[in-house]
Amino acid sequence: DAGVIQSPRHEVTEMGQEVTLRCKPISGHDYLFWYRQTMMRGLELLIYFNNNVPIDDSGMPEDRFSAKMPNASFSTLKIQPSEPRDSAVYFCASSFRDRYEQYFGPGTRLTVT
Amino acid sequence: RKEVEQDPGPFNVPEGATVAFNCTYSNSASQSFFWYRQDCRKEPKLLMSVYSSGNEDGRFTAQLNRASQYISLLIRDSKLSDSATYLCVVSPWGYKLSFGAGTTVTVRA
Repeated sequence: DAGVIQSPRHEVTEMGQEVTLRCKPISGHDYLFWYRQTMMRGLELLIYFNNNVPIDDSGMPEDRFSAKMPNASFSTLKIQPSEPRDSAVYFCASSFRDRYEQYFGPGTRLTVT
Repeated sequence: RKEVEQDPGPFNVPEGATVAFNCTYSNSASQSFFWYRQDCRKEPKLLMSVYSSGNEDGRFTAQLNRASQYISLLIRDSKLSDSATYLCVVSPWGYKLSFGAGTTVTVRA
């Protein structure tokens, strides 16, 4: 079975540009999570969805970040405008209802110059 | 206080050795516990769930001590491929997971 799919795997952009990260969760999973990982702050939960509905976005750092889940098989995380401090690895994860373990995608390594 | 605290290590052990490390968690109402491993520049991968009675998966043994609020992981007969960062993960609020900063293990030949 395919795992969580993320694209792009690497993104290099200039400050001020819009960045869109994409995620396809494991088929049948009801929950989708967006994380950010840096050396300084470790793994941080940004937002999570249940059945395509955002449940908790308290981890979204500021208004420049937005996330959507238009259907059960696709989600986006958008940063507009991007800043150098947004440079990190962004992971998407999914889980099945009634199960708390999460399965991660390979991540998108974002560099903002 | 951090929700999950781990000794960052590194733990440097020879092949074949046993290595063990703990993590502590702050929320006594936490219900689910996991160990994930993360290789350099890769995603976290579920290693094992941790059950109240303790559980074993091959060379890996996990224990949970609710009274003292800590979780342990023991690796027997270490292999070079066990070199990784091990993340202690706790679910204090339903589907949200809290991740520790990780314990680095390096197994040398």
